[in-house]
Amino acid sequence: GQSLEQPSEVTAVEGAIVQINCTYQTSGFYGLSWYQQHDGGAPTFLSYNALDGLEETGRFSSFLSRSDSYGYLLLQELQMKDSASYFCAVRSYGSSNTGKLIFGQGTTLQVKP
Amino acid sequence: ETGVTQTPRHLVMGMTNKKSLKCEQHLGHNAMYWYKQSAKKPLELMFVYNFKEQTENNSVPSRFSPECPNSSHLFLHLHTLQPEDSALYLCASRPGLAGGTGELFFGEGSRLTVL
Repeated sequence: GQSLEQPSEVTAVEGAIVQINCTYQTSGFYGLSWYQQHDGGAPTFLSYNALDGLEETGRFSSFLSRSDSYGYLLLQELQMKDSASYFCAVRSYGSSNTGKLIFGQGTTLQVKP
Repeated sequence: ETGVTQTPRHLVMGMTNKKSLKCEQHLGHNAMYWYKQSAKKPLELMFVYNFKEQTENNSVPSRFSPECPNSSHLFLHLHTLQPEDSALYLCASRPGLAGGTGELFFGEGSRLTVL
């Protein structure tokens, strides 16, 4: 089967750095994405890694190791508004070539003052 | 504002009711998706449409019936639902099925409660 594992909850303080890990087991891996979802809101795209290494976008960075089937999202200089759920997702092609995204169960990040 | 609009935002229905969820995207995308989001569970893919044609049905029970009249609109018709179908139903779109980052543009979802 195909699955993604990520921690269910993470707590950190304002100004800190937090890392959310994601391990995956899928077929036809093309890349790893991260999405952010605030309570009552739509999931929004944060980053995508197709190749090994670190991608940086402002305070957020995402890392991928294809050989380890592992990635992480790094959030720096945490702000209260970063409190949200974070999902990793794998682009995996089924036989019908639907461009499916398979999601992890999400990590709830709580940022405290 | 993601460019994907879902209505209604909240819906309460009995098990014998028939209702529909609507999704409209203003992004010019060709692929549209329905996902189910239940508490503490991964987003679960339900259906995929590309250029109005269904390309994926992820073994969804027949009490959920999708309809895609054109590339901008997607419906999910609901009938004879069960309480365990209560969840947030998310619509998403992307330019096409292949290429790019695979970024999905999500609506804010329709929160469904089945009594």
